[in-house]
Amino acid sequence: DARVTQTPRHKVTEMGQEVTMRCQPILGHNTVFWYRQTMMQGLELLAYFRNRAPLDDSGMPKDRFSAEMPDATLATLKIQPSEPRDSAVYFCASGFADRVGGNQPQHFGDGTRLSIL
Amino acid sequence: KQEVTQIPAALSVPEGENLVLNCSFTDSAIYNLQWFRQDHGKGLTSLLLIQSSQREQTSGRLNASLDKSSGRSTLYIAASQPGDSATYLCAVPDSGNTPLVFGKGTRLSVIA
Repeated sequence: DARVTQTPRHKVTEMGQEVTMRCQPILGHNTVFWYRQTMMQGLELLAYFRNRAPLDDSGMPKDRFSAEMPDATLATLKIQPSEPRDSAVYFCASGFADRVGGNQPQHFGDGTRLSIL
Repeated sequence: KQEVTQIPAALSVPEGENLVLNCSFTDSAIYNLQWFRQDHGKGLTSLLLIQSSQREQTSGRLNASLDKSSGRSTLYIAASQPGDSATYLCAVPDSGNTPLVFGKGTRLSVIA
């Protein structure tokens, strides 16, 4: 069964440190999403890519967050410098959208549980 | 801006009961609606996706319905089991495979 793979599964670090989260989307999917889940806000979009091009990153604090897709098999989300309020679970999801937008389900990874002390 | 609401926030039922989870959304111009299950500390598992042209979708003991005009969807679980205990989330994209807008979820506990 094809799966979205995220690493690391857990990360604990001190504030001010750089954090890098990685995602391997399902082979053949052309759209990759980064979501963040907190108790207060629930699941919220941070950024997403189609065919490796960023389409929307309005959900990210631009001064500290960056998202990239170096190639079709890897998406990264970086936080520098990290702050305690960044503590959350970060999910990557992938899906396929055709020329007219597509109508396929999104598949989620198991998430990275991040704690900033 | 699309908003998704799920009621109730939590639900506890004895094993064997049939139950209904509710989801409402503010903008009816959706392509599809997706129901997910999330076990504690885990990721999201897609349960059902209903296309905008469909009225319902079934998978095993699960049946999801969609009424676009009224902005509502329900997830019906038949003959509930303790293994069904999880948080159930509904989500809609604005169009196609664009980012999902999620409800806050319904936390279900099925008591043996």
